[in-house]
Amino acid sequence: EAQVTQNPRYLITVTGKKLTVTCSQNMNHEYMSWYRQDPGLGLRQIYYSMNVEVTDKGDVPEGYKVSRKEKRNFPLILESPSPNQTSLYFCASSLVQGGKQYFGPGTRLTVT
Amino acid sequence: QQQVKQSPQSLIVQKGGISIINCAYENTAFDYFPWYQQFPGKGPALLIAIRPDVSEKKEGRFTISFNKSAKQFSLHIMDSQPGDSATYFCAASLTNAGKSTFGDGTTLTVKP
Repeated sequence: EAQVTQNPRYLITVTGKKLTVTCSQNMNHEYMSWYRQDPGLGLRQIYYSMNVEVTDKGDVPEGYKVSRKEKRNFPLILESPSPNQTSLYFCASSLVQGGKQYFGPGTRLTVT
Repeated sequence: QQQVKQSPQSLIVQKGGISIINCAYENTAFDYFPWYQQFPGKGPALLIAIRPDVSEKKEGRFTISFNKSAKQFSLHIMDSQPGDSATYFCAASLTNAGKSTFGDGTTLTVKP
């Protein structure tokens, strides 16, 4: 089944403790992206990647890092999480830039 | 600066009625305009999308109307059904730059 998977689905952590949210797609898509969803603010793009080793900032990249060492994986790294990063995070992939994006199931992160 | 403004924030429609959600954008370089549907606890899923070289696209009960000169586009859901109750997001993308900007979302409730 074609899908985007994210792990973990739920995470509660404390301020300053480094964490990684994994994202993997099995559709051989070149383009992958991370979004955060907050009430009343829609989805805001954090980072995106157009191919292996090619990444760029979205609209809200502060406090986040990404890497794209393999085509299928696009992990989101929070080096020193803060409470304002409490949010619902979605990974997405598409065959081409500007094409249909397939979203993962989401990761709900709480930073205390 | 919010580049994509979506309205209304919430919408209640009777079964069989027409649901209309509007979006306005600012950047004339946007070249891909998708609508996503999101059910509670799920990631967004592409519903329908349009490119600026056409003024209307219809897929089943869902229609996008696009007005390039006014920099507006809208989603029309004909014969709305309770199963259409969800949150809808419009988006605008710069396909050559990989960036996507989403509206804040509209929560649609279709009453039986």
